Amino acid sequence: SQTIHQWPATLVQPVGSPLSLECTVEGTSNPNLYWYRQAAGRGLQLLFYSVGIGQISSEVPQNLSASRPQDRQFILSSKKLLLSDSGFYLCAWRANYEQYFGPGTRLTVT
Amino acid sequence: GQSLEQPSEVTAVEGAIVQINCTYQTSGFYGLSWYQQHDGGAPTFLSYNGLDGLEETGRFSSFLSRSDSYGYLLLQELQMKDSASYFCAVRDDSSYKLIFGSGTRLLVRP
Repeated sequence: SQTIHQWPATLVQPVGSPLSLECTVEGTSNPNLYWYRQAAGRGLQLLFYSVGIGQISSEVPQNLSASRPQDRQFILSSKKLLLSDSGFYLCAWRANYEQYFGPGTRLTVT
Repeated sequence: GQSLEQPSEVTAVEGAIVQINCTYQTSGFYGLSWYQQHDGGAPTFLSYNGLDGLEETGRFSSFLSRSDSYGYLLLQELQMKDSASYFCAVRDDSSYKLIFGSGTRLLVRP
């Protein structure tokens, strides 16, 4: 069966520090992968999606970037975090019409 | 612009039936999905409607009317564990990206 992992689960970072969040998927090959952010009490905002290695589409212009160095690995990065980057970051993969989400990383920028 | 509208909160009694509505305005439409999210958790897929009509999965049903740009999620025989946030999401193009609504917080009371 397919499994999606994210780490870390929680993270507290100072403003201006770098960020690296990792997502890996097991049990499937060449998945469509997605990064979302959810502010407290709000819906999910699509940040990036990828249909294959090295193929990244950015949905929202901001100080975040994404990379897909391997088929089942998706990384979200930032060189300098802003206070507004705080939120719940979710990675997801697609199977047909369904998206399956990882457990998420709760990021607090202080 | 793209927008999805759903009520922010709904309260219902255990054992009752509740309907959560979603109206959408998007540049394209390929389908409407519903996701459930418990506090602190990741969203989980509930249902998908690509064509008009009703889809039933156990206690949950979802309806779509493309001519009205409208859908709803129907929860029957409510249980306390159904207390959660429910999000509608539209697939607006062939890329399988999803646009999420802001979510409806459902509180089930005994």
